[in-house]
Amino acid sequence: SQKIEQNSEALNIQEGKTATLTCNYTNYSPAYLQWYRQDPGRGPVFLLLIRENEKEKRKERLKVTFDTTLKQSLFHITASQPADSATYLCALDVRGSGGGADGLTFGKGTHLIIQP
Amino acid sequence: GAVVSQHPSWVICKSGTSVKIECRSLDFQATTMFWYRQFPKQSLMLMATSNEGSKATYEQGVEKDKFLINHASLTLSTLTVTSAHPEDSSFYICSAVPRDYYTDTQYFGPGTRLTVL
Repeated sequence: SQKIEQNSEALNIQEGKTATLTCNYTNYSPAYLQWYRQDPGRGPVFLLLIRENEKEKRKERLKVTFDTTLKQSLFHITASQPADSATYLCALDVRGSGGGADGLTFGKGTHLIIQP
Repeated sequence: GAVVSQHPSWVICKSGTSVKIECRSLDFQATTMFWYRQFPKQSLMLMATSNEGSKATYEQGVEKDKFLINHASLTLSTLTVTSAHPEDSSFYICSAVPRDYYTDTQYFGPGTRLTVL
């Protein structure tokens, strides 16, 4: 089964700096990789999806890279703000088939704290 | 758009009773919905895949007779925890994939906190 590791349980960043979170997977190459934000006691909120044939994707202050050789994705938040403080989850399709709706395997998440 | 709701948001029940959790897609139709469980400081774990009009598919280690899933319409899936025990206490989250969108994105509900006494 797929194993996902996210770089650290907690990450403290000063406001205005770029936060970089890492997601590594160990088994089969997924058809796509997703990043979610989760606030305490809430369900995950979708942020970005990147496919296996894409190297980079951006959305406002967010940027995701995907390196299938390293089996790694990096998630960047530029010009970070205290409101960005949350847990960020990396998720892959469970069976790597990419054939439409498939359940997700999640990492444990990185708790990001942006200090003013 | 793409809003998913869950009801109730939290529930406390006695050991041995059954609890039903509803998951609704409010502004889209979803052929497929998923049920996840999250224990404190743990990742979300996929429990089952729910397809409208057919039997749910359960992940390895999840008891289908204990976690009953019914996906009766394109906007509603229910999860019933039967004969709940304290070890079933967890955060249950559903997600849905819009039927008409070309996307692999899942939209998650706000979650239901189940506490079994």
